[in-house]
Amino acid sequence: DVVMTQSPLSLPVTLGQPASISCRSSQSLVYSDGITYLNWFQQRPGQSPRRLIYKVSNRDSGVPDRFSGSGSGTDFTLKISRVEAEDVGVYYCMQGTHWPTFGQGTKVEIK
Amino acid sequence: EVQLVESGGGLVKPGGSLRLSCAASGFTFNNTWMSWVRQAPGKGLEWVGRIKSKADGGTTDYAAPVKGRFTISRDDSKNTLYLQMNSLKTEDTALYYCTTGGWELPVWGQGTTVTVSS
Repeated sequence: DVVMTQSPLSLPVTLGQPASISCRSSQSLVYSDGITYLNWFQQRPGQSPRRLIYKVSNRDSGVPDRFSGSGSGTDFTLKISRVEAEDVGVYYCMQGTHWPTFGQGTKVEIK
Repeated sequence: EVQLVESGGGLVKPGGSLRLSCAASGFTFNNTWMSWVRQAPGKGLEWVGRIKSKADGGTTDYAAPVKGRFTISRDDSKNTLYLQMNSLKTEDTALYYCTTGGWELPVWGQGTTVTVSS
């Protein structure tokens, strides 16, 4: 299985400040069609996960533009340009290029 | 509005069986691959398996921990996805989510809780 490793696992952030989460895969996530199937999900406390980003950098409908995804190959990043209170929760990267696997999750909290 | 509603969770003894259902609405279910993802208490997300649309063969894939014990099926006439769980183990205790897609997972249900305990 492809192992997805996120860092940090805990991220205290000041409101209005940027935040960045790293996700590394144990194998390249470039599929044979040339597309990289890397998603990011947000799970707020007590809620179901919500997809934020698909194929590395595409924001889902309704996702604020302060969220952005980037990366290639085995190295990916989710950035929040200015953290708001509603961004508190756990963020997961997930690859769909091989048998789907998730990262361990990064807990974002307000300092 | 796209909606997924899971049901069928409960308390079951180790070695027992349970069938989960996921009622879908608001999209063309028969054209859509579907997946199950679970989350053990206080833990992260784990992909359980998926089923392709019948047009794409209707085949299934499973994660190693559940292969041979769990079976995913679908009834397109009822817009319903199923997860048959046999030979349940305590480590199968989790909140089980139904999601659209085989890897894209854009839409999630609210989940149904399965507890395996004696």
